[in-house]
Amino acid sequence: GAGVSQSPRYKVAKRGQDVALRCDPISGHVSLFWYQQALGQGPEFLTYFQNEAQLDKSGLPSDRFFAERPEGSVSTLKIQRTQQEDSAVYLCASGLAGITDTQYFGPGTRLTVL
Amino acid sequence: EDQVTQSPEALRLQEGESSSLNCSYTVSGLRGLFWYRQDPGKGPEFLFTLYSAGEEKEKERLKATLTKKESFLHITAPKPEDSATYLCAVSANQAGTALIFGKGTTLSVSS
Repeated sequence: GAGVSQSPRYKVAKRGQDVALRCDPISGHVSLFWYQQALGQGPEFLTYFQNEAQLDKSGLPSDRFFAERPEGSVSTLKIQRTQQEDSAVYLCASGLAGITDTQYFGPGTRLTVL
Repeated sequence: EDQVTQSPEALRLQEGESSSLNCSYTVSGLRGLFWYRQDPGKGPEFLFTLYSAGEEKEKERLKATLTKKESFLHITAPKPEDSATYLCAVSANQAGTALIFGKGTTLSVSS
């Protein structure tokens, strides 16, 4: 069956540009998570949605980061005025229901800020 | 502070040489411990979830166990295709909705 998909797979941005990263979760999954993974590190939590409601955004590193899931399915992570330290892989995960359920990850978007 | 530590950072094995990866955790109110496999350039692939001390789960050459302080991922007679980074993550009451990941163990199996 179809898993979590993310686009684009690779994004190169000049410092100061805005970027938008898309996540298509597994159909029917209520929970959606965004993580940031630096090279050689484990993923770090950014934000969590239950349907269209953003219930936890405690991991967003600054107000330049913004996420939305307006219809409870597709989600977009937007980064405004990108900085070099934003370079990382951005992973999206979805889960069937609650926060203790297994999270299934997409392939990630590798963002490089020059 | 909630913490997850994986060891070793890297492990090189010969094909057929069994070994174990360790994940130690210090969290308040463990809700679940998760093992993932991550291949280069790909997202983490789910392997196991463990919820309580004493629980064990198996899948092919992999077996995961859980105690109150740590989890082990045992690899029996590994093959080169088992080469990957293995990530451990915990869900805990004090951590809210976040999964807290360790840095991973990179396993290389040579034939």
